[in-house]
Formats: sequence, structure tokens, C-alpha cells
Amino acid sequence: KAGVTQTPRYLIKTRGQQVTLSCSPISGHRSVSWYQQTPGQGLQFLFEYFSETQRNKGNFPGRFSGRQFSNSRSEMNVSTLELGDSALYLCASSLDPPGTTGELFFGEGSRLTVL
Amino acid sequence: QQQVKQSPQSLIVQKGGIPIINCAYENTAFDYFPWYQQFPGKGPALLIAIRPDVSEKKEGRFTISFNKSAKQFSLHIMDSQPGDSATYFCAASGSNYQLIWGAGTKLIIKP
Repeated sequence: KAGVTQTPRYLIKTRGQQVTLSCSPISGHRSVSWYQQTPGQGLQFLFEYFSETQRNKGNFPGRFSGRQFSNSRSEMNVSTLELGDSALYLCASSLDPPGTTGELFFGEGSRLTVL
Repeated sequence: QQQVKQSPQSLIVQKGGIPIINCAYENTAFDYFPWYQQFPGKGPALLIAIRPDVSEKKEGRFTISFNKSAKQFSLHIMDSQPGDSATYFCAASGSNYQLIWGAGTKLIIKP
């Protein structure tokens, strides 16, 4: 069974550009969550989707957005990139929404560097 | 009320020692407490989880101790090995709450 796949794994952008990150969950998983991880900041929750609906959103500016498609694949977009957006962006999938105590399966992340 | 406080931020232990990582929560509605382990370059992976109806759970060398009255839970690693060097995250959730994460503990096991 394939794990969570995130693309691209690495990317470099400049300030002001936008970026789209993709996440393919484990087959059969309907919930996808996104996290931002920076050194010393732990895992910062971005948003969570379940069956194409955004169920929860973290405390990030509107430049961060996401969506989930009918096949459960998800994308997140960051517009008008800032230097502080440099981070590892992690996607996690689960059978049910995380609040129902299901295990989260993480991808290896997309490492974004903003110059 | 939604925070999970994790300590210490970093920990260095000699091989064979027993590192202990502590977490405290505030929301009494939380009923699921997982620990995730993250190696460099990888995403976190579930290590062990506990529910408040038990005070302790063991899986191999990893043990969660849970104190419901104190609203605290901790991870102990018995006979620690250099391969256990990783970042450990505690978390908490409930049926109506998303997963709330601790800040993480960077653990180094010295040979």
C-alpha cells in the first residue's frame, strides 16, 4: 500500500511568487491535513479537509489556502510568498477526521525555500 | 484551554539511559493522546497512543504513563539506543476537537 505522496519534495521560490503543493493520500483515506514545520516551531496546523470540505483551519493568513478533490488528493497554495514562509510543509492523511482519534500518516514533506 | 505543553525542548541521554518526555494538557474533553516520532528528512510517524481509561501502556521499549487527575502524560524510552535519536511530539484530541500538538522534543542518544 503506497504511503502519502507529496510533490514537489523541494522547491525554491522568490518573494512575491506563489506556490502550489500537492498531496496524494493513502488509498481509501478521506481526510487530509496540512502542517507547516519550521525549526523550533514544531508542527503548525494549517488546515484539514474531509470529503472535499474544509473542517478546520489554523491561524494562518489568507495567503494560505487549500482544497481537496473528489479523489481525496489535496493541494495547498501560498500566494505572495514571504521569506518567513520558508518551511517544510507536511501533509497527513487518515481514514477519518483526526478529531476522531484516527492515526495520521504523514508524507515526507515539501521543503520550500523563499529567497 | 487548547494547548499541549511539552518539555523538555531538547534532551541528551547516554545509551541505555531512560529519557522521559513530559506533556500537560488543559482540556478535560481530550480522550486520545498519541506520541509521534520524527527522524530527520521524514514526516512524523505514530509511535504509541493511550486513552485515559488506562494509566500506562507499553509497546516494546516505549511506555506512556498517564495521570488523568494531573492532566499529564509522559513518554519513557527504556534501554535507549542511538537509533532512538529523533524528535518526539505529543498530541491530544477528542471527538469534537482536532489534534493539538506539543512543541516537540529533540532527543539525542549518545553512544
